[in-house]
Amino acid sequence: RKEVEQDPGPFNVPEGATVAFNCTYSNSASQSFFWYRQDCRKEPKLLMSVYSSGNEDGRFTAQLNRASQYISLLIRDSKLSDSATYLCVAIDMNRDDKIIFGKGTRLHILP
Amino acid sequence: DGGITQSPKYLFRKEGQNVTLSCEQNLNHDAMYWYRQDPGQGLRLIYYSQIVNDFQKGDIAEGYSVSREKKESFPLTVTSAQKNPTAFYLCASSISSWETQYFGPGTRLLVL
Repeated sequence: RKEVEQDPGPFNVPEGATVAFNCTYSNSASQSFFWYRQDCRKEPKLLMSVYSSGNEDGRFTAQLNRASQYISLLIRDSKLSDSATYLCVAIDMNRDDKIIFGKGTRLHILP
Repeated sequence: DGGITQSPKYLFRKEGQNVTLSCEQNLNHDAMYWYRQDPGQGLRLIYYSQIVNDFQKGDIAEGYSVSREKKESFPLTVTSAQKNPTAFYLCASSISSWETQYFGPGTRLLVL
């Protein structure tokens, strides 16, 4: 079975620091990628789509490396409110298991 | 407000009982999805629907059933055949199949 793998963490990071997550995927035919954040006992909320050219939204930057089959998320100047679990998602519409969620990386921002 | 809603927030099921989880969206999205999440696990796809009156099985459809009679609604029934139904159930929708998905607040199902 094709997988999406993430370091489960937790990552304990002081407020203001920069933190980076990687997510590897084994299905080279995956077409679309996303990062979601999920707060404890809540639904996932879209953080960013991920494009080959990279994309940035404020303090957040996402990158896709197709050659090495990983996507990354960089959070600069981390805030206490960034504490959450970050889920990586890969989609391959041509497979039976079309959408694969990673198990998530837990981030704790420390005051 | 546009959005996706799920009810109830918590649901208790007795052994041998079927229960139905509600999912409604007013985003005019064609595609809708049901996932289950177990503690420490990624989301797993149960069923999805790309358009009204059509749906397909996901990775873990056994013990579940769905209907899509209206664009706005995609209810999930957890049947007595699902032997381990305790989980967090999440409904999502997207403007078209496999585009960016937006999630409802979820329903926690517990077995008594």
